[in-house]
Amino acid sequence: EVQLVESGGGLVQPGGSLTLSCAASGFTFSNYAMSWVRQAPGKGLEWVSTFSGSGTSTYYADSVQGRFTVSRDNSKNTLFLQMNSLRAEDSAVYYCARERSHAPTDAFEIWGQGTMVTVSS
Amino acid sequence: DIQMTQSPSSLSASVGDRVTITCRASQGISNYLAWYQQKPGKVPKPLIYAASSLQSGVPSRFSGSGSGTDFTLTISSLQPEDVATYYCQKYNSVPLTFGGGTKVEIK
Repeated sequence: EVQLVESGGGLVQPGGSLTLSCAASGFTFSNYAMSWVRQAPGKGLEWVSTFSGSGTSTYYADSVQGRFTVSRDNSKNTLFLQMNSLRAEDSAVYYCARERSHAPTDAFEIWGQGTMVTVSS
Repeated sequence: DIQMTQSPSSLSASVGDRVTITCRASQGISNYLAWYQQKPGKVPKPLIYAASSLQSGVPSRFSGSGSGTDFTLTISSLQPEDVATYYCQKYNSVPLTFGGGTKVEIK
């Protein structure tokens, strides 16, 4: 079964850091681009970051550029999102998503269940 | 950056009605357009990619069309289980922008 399972969410103070993980199973992880998408409470979907399936290309939304870092460990079938200098507006459910191909820009085909990040003092 | 605008933001229709949601890109994106369905409290579900290709397992009452800047998602006969918010997304280039969503309810 193709599956994505996120972990690492929680409550963090403004200015703090958090690392999210996304464990993949049921497919050849290295063949696909992987992304993070977030959804603030009661709001719409916002693309956050993508790591291409081939090479080492990474892409970020302007809202997180310079604060968030996406990485992947293909040997462990895991995608990561290191989040630094967190702000209240970063509070959201963070979804891991697999794209349809290795290309850095493709439709999302598989979504994880999400992990909640709350930034508050 | 290219902006994605959905309309309407919400709609209410009767079971069996034909429902159409539009998505407009501020610049041409060819057919690099996807649609997702998100039921209340649930994970987004992929419906359509490449503007008109149905994802595996999606009921045939859903269809997509368009190219360039104007796209539509059509539900040919609205069912109670279709109550959800629908999002379009462009993926021709980063940023992979989503539309603001269209909430569909049963009248």
